[in-house]
Amino acid sequence: EAEVAQSPRYKITEKSQAVAFWCDPISGHATLYWYRQILGQGPELLVQFQDESVVDDSQLPKDRFSAERLKGVDSTLKIQPAELGDSAMYLCASSLVTSGSSYNEQFFGPGTRLTVL
Amino acid sequence: AQKITQTQPGMFVQEKEAVTLDCTYDTSDQSYGLFWYKQPSSGEMIFLIYQGSYDEQNATEGRYSLNFQKARKSANLVISASQLGDSAMYFCAMREGFSGGSEKLVFGKGTKLTVNP
Repeated sequence: EAEVAQSPRYKITEKSQAVAFWCDPISGHATLYWYRQILGQGPELLVQFQDESVVDDSQLPKDRFSAERLKGVDSTLKIQPAELGDSAMYLCASSLVTSGSSYNEQFFGPGTRLTVL
Repeated sequence: AQKITQTQPGMFVQEKEAVTLDCTYDTSDQSYGLFWYKQPSSGEMIFLIYQGSYDEQNATEGRYSLNFQKARKSANLVISASQLGDSAMYFCAMREGFSGGSEKLVFGKGTKLTVNP
């Protein structure tokens, strides 16, 4: 069964260091999402890609976060420098159906749990 | 104002009993979709069930059913015959904006369900 892959699963870093997370969506899924989930909260969208283009990055803290999906397949989310408040689960999701459909199931990866010390 | 409200931080149910998890939503769109996801302690978000705003019948998927009351803007999840493996966090989410652009899911804060033997 096709799955969304993410690595690493766990990351511990010190504040002011740089970290990067990788996501490989389900093959053929044009839309890719990065969500951040703070402990005790629901996920919140950071950035959405349609192929290699950014569709929505309104909630991405652009002073320290960057995301890319150069070839429209896998994606990298980077934080530089990391801050204590960045400790969270970072979830990647992908979907096949794009705009115009009310049903657009997003398939989630296992997430990367980041701890900033 | 919160778009998705889950008022039950935690719920307990006896094995084999049914349980209802509450979700209310706020939108001015006529076309939207409502989703329920399960998140075990491992962290992965697992899709459970979907209800479109124009769907006349309540959605059902195996032991999961969605009690959709459009006028009250509620989309409660009903789990029948609870199993120990149902113990997890449950998130209600809404998708708006089918005409293009961002297709993000907006999540509630979740309900932690514990199934007792």
